[in-house]
Amino acid sequence: DAGVTQSPTHLIKTRGQHVTLRCSPISGHKSVSWYQQVLGQGPQFIFQYYEKEERGRGNFPDRFSARQFPNYSSELNVNALLLGDSALYLCASSLRAGEVSNEQFFGPGTRLTVL
Amino acid sequence: QKEVEQDPGPLSVPEGAIVSLNCTYSNSAFQYFMWYRQYSRKGPELLMYTYSSGNKEDGRFTAQVDKSSKYISLFIRDSQPSDSATYLCASGGLDNYGQNFVFGPGTRLSVLP
Repeated sequence: DAGVTQSPTHLIKTRGQHVTLRCSPISGHKSVSWYQQVLGQGPQFIFQYYEKEERGRGNFPDRFSARQFPNYSSELNVNALLLGDSALYLCASSLRAGEVSNEQFFGPGTRLTVL
Repeated sequence: QKEVEQDPGPLSVPEGAIVSLNCTYSNSAFQYFMWYRQYSRKGPELLMYTYSSGNKEDGRFTAQVDKSSKYISLFIRDSQPSDSATYLCASGGLDNYGQNFVFGPGTRLSVLP
């Protein structure tokens, strides 16, 4: 069974552009969380979705948005890109929201570079 | 003050050594405490989690939480070169809607053969 998959693996954009990142959770997992990891720092929580509804939101501006589709895959959208948005964007999937378990798995991430 | 603080290292130890990794947190409402391992160019992998205070052991790994001092520790016994990675601590809470976890910056560990 495939793990969490993310696309693209790498992306280069310029300031002011828009970007869409995609995540496919592990089969059977209904919760997807997005994290931003700036080089040399730990991941920072952006969003959590469960059953297509937003269940949690971190301290990020409205330029960041996300959605979850009926097949539980998810998109993260970032508008009006800034240089500071350059980071590794991680997706994590789990069976459910609202619990901690060893059944949460991270994808390999999408490396976004904003020039 | 950051909510979760961690010495970024790098930390180098010889193979077979006992490794001690530590974090402090500031929010007394945090209930869950996690340790992740992240290899270069990979996503984090959850190693262990504990709820509230106490110890938890899994093979060569032991996690300790002291809520009175807001101190989180991970011990690795008989360290191996394959343990070389960045170790992230995280803590936070859950509500009926989801999670709110805060990660430390990670400690980079090198185990030398």
